Amino acid sequence: DVKVTQSSRYLVKRTGEKVFLECVQDMDHENMFWYRQDPGLGLRLIYFSYDVKMKEKGDIPEGYSVSREKKERFSLILESASTNQTSMYLCASSLSGTGEGNGYTFGSGTRLTVV
Amino acid sequence: AQSVTQLDSQVPVFEEAPVELRCNYSSSVSVYLFWYVQYPNQGLQLLLKYLSGSTLVKGINGFEAEFNKSQTSFHLRKPSVHISDTAEYFCAVTPQYNFNKFYFGSGTKLNVKP
Repeated sequence: DVKVTQSSRYLVKRTGEKVFLECVQDMDHENMFWYRQDPGLGLRLIYFSYDVKMKEKGDIPEGYSVSREKKERFSLILESASTNQTSMYLCASSLSGTGEGNGYTFGSGTRLTVV
Repeated sequence: AQSVTQLDSQVPVFEEAPVELRCNYSSSVSVYLFWYVQYPNQGLQLLLKYLSGSTLVKGINGFEAEFNKSQTSFHLRKPSVHISDTAEYFCAVTPQYNFNKFYFGSGTKLNVKP
C-alpha cells in the first residue's frame, strides 16, 4: 500500500525553537506539498516542490522554509516557532505528467502546539 | 485564480437519511474537481474525482457527486448515511493546465446521529 508518512503525530514546542516536520513518501512521486489546516479555514498551501532541490512558495510561506534533498523526503522548517503556528500540518504527494488529474495522497498529519 | 466555497460548515443528519454537501467553485479556466474525506485524527482520503465525461461520478462508500458546469457546482450526495460517515469533507479543484496545485474549500463537518 502506498504511503505518505509524517514522522510525528503530535509535537509540543516552545516559542522561538527551530522545528522540523518530516515527510517521507514511498511512491516515487515527483510532487510534494505542505499544508496547514485550521478550523474554518480549510487547507492552506505553505510550500510545494516539483523536484529534488526545487521549491516554490504557496499561499502562506511566511515563517516557514522547506528542504528537499531527496525525492522521497520533504521537510518543513519553522525557523523560530510562534504561537500562531499552532496548527495541524499535512503533507501530500502526487505524480507529475500530462493528462488526467492524479489527486494527492496525504499523510496522517502532525498536530503542532507551540507554547 | 481559483476558489472553492463550501457553504455549510456543519451538517447534522440522522442515520439512514440522505445528505447533500454543497460545493461551488470559481475559475477562469477548466478544472478537475475532487472530494476528499478526513476522519478524526487522520489525513485526507480521496472520495471521488471528476476529470471528464459523465457529469455524475461515483466514489467510495456509496458517495456520488454531480458536476454542473453552468452553475459551477460539484455537490456531494449519499442516499443513506451511516454513523461511520461522520467526518469532515473537503471539496477541491485543480486547473487542468497545472493539475498538481489544488485549491481546497474550508470543509463541511458531517455529523451523523443515531
